Amino acid sequence: AQTVTQSQPEMSVQEAETVTLSCTYDTSESDYYLFWYKQPPSRQMILVIRQEAYKQQNATENRFSVNFQKAAKSFSLKISDSQLGDAAMYFCAYRSADNDYKLSFGAGTTVTVRA
Amino acid sequence: DVKVTQSSRYLVKRTGEKVFLECVQDMDHENMFWYRQDPGLGLRLIYFSYDVKMKEKGDIPEGYSVSREKKERFSLILESASTNQTSMYLCASSYPKGTVLYSGANVLTFGAGSRLTVL
Repeated sequence: AQTVTQSQPEMSVQEAETVTLSCTYDTSESDYYLFWYKQPPSRQMILVIRQEAYKQQNATENRFSVNFQKAAKSFSLKISDSQLGDAAMYFCAYRSADNDYKLSFGAGTTVTVRA
Repeated sequence: DVKVTQSSRYLVKRTGEKVFLECVQDMDHENMFWYRQDPGLGLRLIYFSYDVKMKEKGDIPEGYSVSREKKERFSLILESASTNQTSMYLCASSYPKGTVLYSGANVLTFGAGSRLTVL
């Protein structure tokens, strides 16, 4: 079974600053997908960014970018120019390319943005 | 434009009661999922369904059952609710592999969640 570890239960960032959330995972597979999902307070969980393991280039989506280190099994999320609307719980998730149904989530990191 | 709707945001039930959590999606997704979210544990898969009347157990199916009689609707059933089932329940859906709209990464679309308290 795959294990996804988010070692930071909480992170705080000043508005307009940068924060990095860490995620490590354990797998013996070579082909898989990694995701960061955002869950704002009392709102639906949405996809922030995704990374295919076979792609060496790190994914970026506007102010969100990842640092994907396949050998180290690390998948960190960087939020640049933090905004108040970025305050949420962020979940790292893993899915094997062979299994469409099983998404393994980390425990989550709560991000607080200070005005 | 909510696409995955969970019928109840907050429920309070008594131990031993039968509980139904309903989820409806309007995106014509074949795959539907029920997750349980607990602090410090993230999301854990309870059951999923890849077609009408089809269901598969996830990681924590004990104490739960599901029903999928129509493509757009996936119900989670607690036959006899217990206090350890107090939790946030999230429904999600996605396209299956092989469809034109399948993204490869199979991104899930989530509902807003149903917070269940069992007293």
